[in-house]
Amino acid sequence: DADVTQTPRNRITKTGKRIMLECSQTKGHDRMYWYRQDPGLGLRLIYYSFDVKDINKGEISDGYSVSRQAQAKFSLSLESAIPNQTALYFCATSGAHTNTGELFFGEGSRLTVL
Amino acid sequence: AQKVTQAQTEISVVEKEDVTLDCVYETRDTTYYLFWYKQPPSGELVFLIRRNSFDEQNEISGRYSWNFQKSTSSFNFTITASQVVDSAVYFCALRINSGKLIFGQGTELSVKP
Repeated sequence: DADVTQTPRNRITKTGKRIMLECSQTKGHDRMYWYRQDPGLGLRLIYYSFDVKDINKGEISDGYSVSRQAQAKFSLSLESAIPNQTALYFCATSGAHTNTGELFFGEGSRLTVL
Repeated sequence: AQKVTQAQTEISVVEKEDVTLDCVYETRDTTYYLFWYKQPPSGELVFLIRRNSFDEQNEISGRYSWNFQKSTSSFNFTITASQVVDSAVYFCALRINSGKLIFGQGTELSVKP
């Protein structure tokens, strides 16, 4: 089983709908991240959380919100989806108290907004 | 500014050729970490290497090698004797003191038989 699990893996929705992408991890990491991937733009940080009570905006947080329900769970919400939020979304984790380690990524959630 | 630039959007080579993927970064931090990730067609992100800013030794792992030069703020990645299975998008990334990981735009490598 994957250490970082994202659900759903694929979702097609309509403009204006509320969407939640969920991420859970079994790595015991405190730090969790949501990234968005668009062709030619690489991965851009949406939100990140260094522990359950800590939530921080990334470079492209507008139109998104997050919830850190537990150490192992970090959800990304689109309150009212729009077509330019069509992208591949990645959740990632990293160990606490260090900026040295690599991020461990989930398998991605492909979202299409019509 | 904290930034990673991968100027090569796409590279196409024939199997067994050597290929170098360029990465240039910008940061004000004196301590930072550089990474390379591979994204094969299946979509997952695979960690390849981490380098800290105090270690400029080049590294070789099988057919892969990395050249880190602080003087030019570059962290280039070379694949020797490329294979079709190397076809993927490769991302260079910079981790700064805040803990955030900043990615480059990615280079899509296509290795043809």
